[in-house]
Amino acid sequence: QKEVEQNSGPLSVPEGAIASLNCTYSDRGSQSFFWYRQYSGKSPELIMFIYSNGDKEDGRFTAQLNKASQYVSLLIRDSQPSDSATYLCAVGLLNSGGSNYKLTFGKGTLLTVNP
Amino acid sequence: GAGVSQTPSNKVTEKGKYVELRCDPISGHTALYWYRQSLGQGPEFLIYFQGTGAADDSGLPNDRFFAVRPEGSVSTLKIQRTERGDSAVYLCASSLYGGRAYNEQFFGPGTRLTVL
Repeated sequence: QKEVEQNSGPLSVPEGAIASLNCTYSDRGSQSFFWYRQYSGKSPELIMFIYSNGDKEDGRFTAQLNKASQYVSLLIRDSQPSDSATYLCAVGLLNSGGSNYKLTFGKGTLLTVNP
Repeated sequence: GAGVSQTPSNKVTEKGKYVELRCDPISGHTALYWYRQSLGQGPEFLIYFQGTGAADDSGLPNDRFFAVRPEGSVSTLKIQRTERGDSAVYLCASSLYGGRAYNEQFFGPGTRLTVL
């Protein structure tokens, strides 16, 4: 069973709309949750992280976490064509040896914002 | 300041050959991570260094893969007897500290490895 699930998309929204990206994870012990953006042919860059239930806002981005439902989402308000990229959800879980909060990534959701 | 750098950016090799991939982390970052990203997939964890030691190598797929970080800065990922299935982008990331839940990992541009 895949540990971190994302809809691969593509998700297509018009410019100015709200884009909603979703992610579910399987391990209830997961402690930290990250959203990375990856442009085609480039490396991932961190947008936001969240670790407690509820919402966390940063500019046009809002991350939402619901640990009971094992669900994390990213909302992008006023979407711009420059937001077109693959969005990767990553979940941090302490390994069995206690030495590393290992990140497990989903496959990513491709977002296209149409002008 | 300079970000994470990786060399080479592209590497084409033949099946059975040995390759080395290099990562130069952000200066002062004690934690270094290697990931592998196949087409259409998210990055897959390979190994984590805290300083000079491999604190977690649970992601290395088999004993053909090995990584070192002898002085706690630059790291080299070594792949012996390469196979076509090893073809992927190998990403390196670093963070200021390791062993914490909320580390921000900064990724390098990656090395695209193609095994013919």
